Amino acid sequence: NAGVTQTPKFRILKIGQSMTLQCTQDMNHNYMYWYRQDPGMGLKLIYYSVGAGITDKGEVPNGYNVSRSTTEDFPLRLELAAPSQTSVYFCASRRQSTDTQYFGPGTRLTVL
Amino acid sequence: TQLLEQSPQFLSIQEGENLTVYCNSSSVFSSLQWYRQEPGEGPVLLVTVVTGGEVKKLKRLTFQFGDARKDSSLHITAAQPGDTGLYLCAGPLYNNAGNMLTFGGGTRLMVKP
Repeated sequence: NAGVTQTPKFRILKIGQSMTLQCTQDMNHNYMYWYRQDPGMGLKLIYYSVGAGITDKGEVPNGYNVSRSTTEDFPLRLELAAPSQTSVYFCASRRQSTDTQYFGPGTRLTVL
Repeated sequence: TQLLEQSPQFLSIQEGENLTVYCNSSSVFSSLQWYRQEPGEGPVLLVTVVTGGEVKKLKRLTFQFGDARKDSSLHITAAQPGDTGLYLCAGPLYNNAGNMLTFGGGTRLMVKP
């Protein structure tokens, strides 16, 4: 199993550009999450999904959108990128029966 | 305001020293988790504590869950440079759609050789 994979690893965007951060897991986990981590800080939840076709907002959803068309994939869309979205983005997944989350390696995004 | 407050935020010690990291809340949690995050990587789960007063050991790491399930501590004995990283505590929040984890702000540990 590859676990949770994220692409790209790094990206620089200009203000106003848009992009999609990809996240895939091969563990057949129902629950998937997107977090952002600002320098020296903990993680803040952006969006989460409890299964294909179901998504919900977390603590900091503004400026982001998600979709969950399959169990495996949970892409995060940034529209009209802003400098405040400069951060490291982590995708995570977990099995329904446990609280343990498995994290991807992250995407480092800079908006200039 | 974070539900889980970690202290200290930063800790720089020499190899061989002992240290304790704290995770505190005014809320009761059904369980608390501890993650370690190394530079350039995602967090990796170290342990989950479930029962009030529980103590779990992982080699030189000792984790304790408070009796009231509002706090937890991580004690490292004889720290080594390989222990360097960001230590995060996290607890589940339940809602109608499922559950989420709320994270503390983290403790960044540096162990110097």
